[in-house]
Amino acid sequence: QIQLQQSGPGLMKPSQTLSLTCAISGDSVSSDSGAWNWIRQSPSRGLEWLGRTYYRSERSEWFNDYAASVRSRITITPDTSKNQFSLQLNSVTPEDTAVYYCARDLSDGYKFYGFDNWGQGTLVTVSS
Amino acid sequence: SYVLTQSPSVSVAPGQTARIPCGGNNIGSKSVHWYQQRPGQAPMLVVYDVNSRPSGIPARFSGSNSGDMATLTIHRVEAGDEADYFCQVWDNTHDHWVFGGGTKLTVL
Repeated sequence: QIQLQQSGPGLMKPSQTLSLTCAISGDSVSSDSGAWNWIRQSPSRGLEWLGRTYYRSERSEWFNDYAASVRSRITITPDTSKNQFSLQLNSVTPEDTAVYYCARDLSDGYKFYGFDNWGQGTLVTVSS
Repeated sequence: SYVLTQSPSVSVAPGQTARIPCGGNNIGSKSVHWYQQRPGQAPMLVVYDVNSRPSGIPARFSGSNSGDMATLTIHRVEAGDEADYFCQVWDNTHDHWVFGGGTKLTVL
């Protein structure tokens, strides 16, 4: 059974860097059968996909995709030694206040089939 | 960016059939996924790739997709189905996931 456990601070000040980690159990961050995503949810923006990281062994390569809305501020990094992946979002503003989720995107190595496992969510509040 | 449009709310009596639409330009050419979200919980995948169900999801949940509309159908609705439902597709023009705004299903 796959479990995703999120950790990271819930209260931040404007201009700081948001850092969240998602620890994976029951699967591997470097598995060909998944992609590892960050999503956030707020009343004003709804569900908003932020980005993902995934590995493809046939190419021995990591891939990243990011949403255009945050592309200049975001980095998603895998950590194979700890079997986890992390989100960094720079220069946060109150507009970044949201519940942040990590999630696995099930894949057959070519196609993606939706987010079948989610973390518990972390409420991040940006306020001075 | 690709836009998915969902009605804010749908109401249905217990035992009846709920149909939750999700509109998008030529969405019939895309693989659509659906999520259920109860208050205070993370979303849960209930239908993927238009009409496949993850293990543990009852056969009462099904999906369809044609033209500019995808639909999540819930047969024999139960009180426990009351939740928000979101559709999702991959925007292959901009290489990112897109979610609909969500539909609140109320069981009368």
